[in-house]
Amino acid sequence: QVQLLQSGAEVRKPGASVMLSCKASGYTFSHHYLHWVRRAPGQGLQWMGTIDPNKGYTNYAQRFQGGVTMTADLATNTLYLELSSLRSEDTAVYYCARGSGGWCSGGRCGYYFYYMDVWGQGTTVTVS
Amino acid sequence: QSALTQPASVSGSPGQSITLSCTGTSSDVGAYNYVSWYQQHPGKVPKLLIYDVTNRPSGISRRFSGSKSGNTASLTISGLQDEDEADYHCVSYRGSDTWVFGGGTKVTVL
Repeated sequence: QVQLLQSGAEVRKPGASVMLSCKASGYTFSHHYLHWVRRAPGQGLQWMGTIDPNKGYTNYAQRFQGGVTMTADLATNTLYLELSSLRSEDTAVYYCARGSGGWCSGGRCGYYFYYMDVWGQGTTVTVS
Repeated sequence: QSALTQPASVSGSPGQSITLSCTGTSSDVGAYNYVSWYQQHPGKVPKLLIYDVTNRPSGISRRFSGSKSGNTASLTISGLQDEDEADYHCVSYRGSDTWVFGGGTKVTVL
């Protein structure tokens, strides 16, 4: 079955960086966009950005631009999220989630679906 | 990029129906029929309840239904049960390869 297996919990000091991983199995990794979503204590979910593993194309939410980098390794079906210049406000559970494949035709592009259907188990990052 | 607006909490008694709102703008909820809803129990992974405003994935109870009017999407839970006590999150596509979540609603079963 489709699974996203995330790396373990991390603790960092303010100003440090951390890289999280998300290993996909049970489907063709290159055929689906992947998202990163986080949930800070007492807050709702926040969409951080998306990546097309096949082309390496990324799009980040405005508030996370400059502070996050998403990459994908097709050889190992693994997604990565690097967080830099960490602050206490970055303490959260970080989820990877599978999105749709994309299509382009006649100059128009879109997705086959617009939701996140499979989620990783989450990685807790504590900045203190 | 502001989040979608959801009430912080909604409560109801077992058997009642409750409706959760999710208000966006003409650039997200109002522009696209790509609103989805997720249920999240404490310490658990979000679970897809509704996609494309009204559609239920296989295995999701018919007690959950979605709708939209203008810039506001809604999730109705009918026949409220103890197991429905959880956080509920809405998310909308916003165009240009971006998505936006709401702040989440905590549902309490009295």
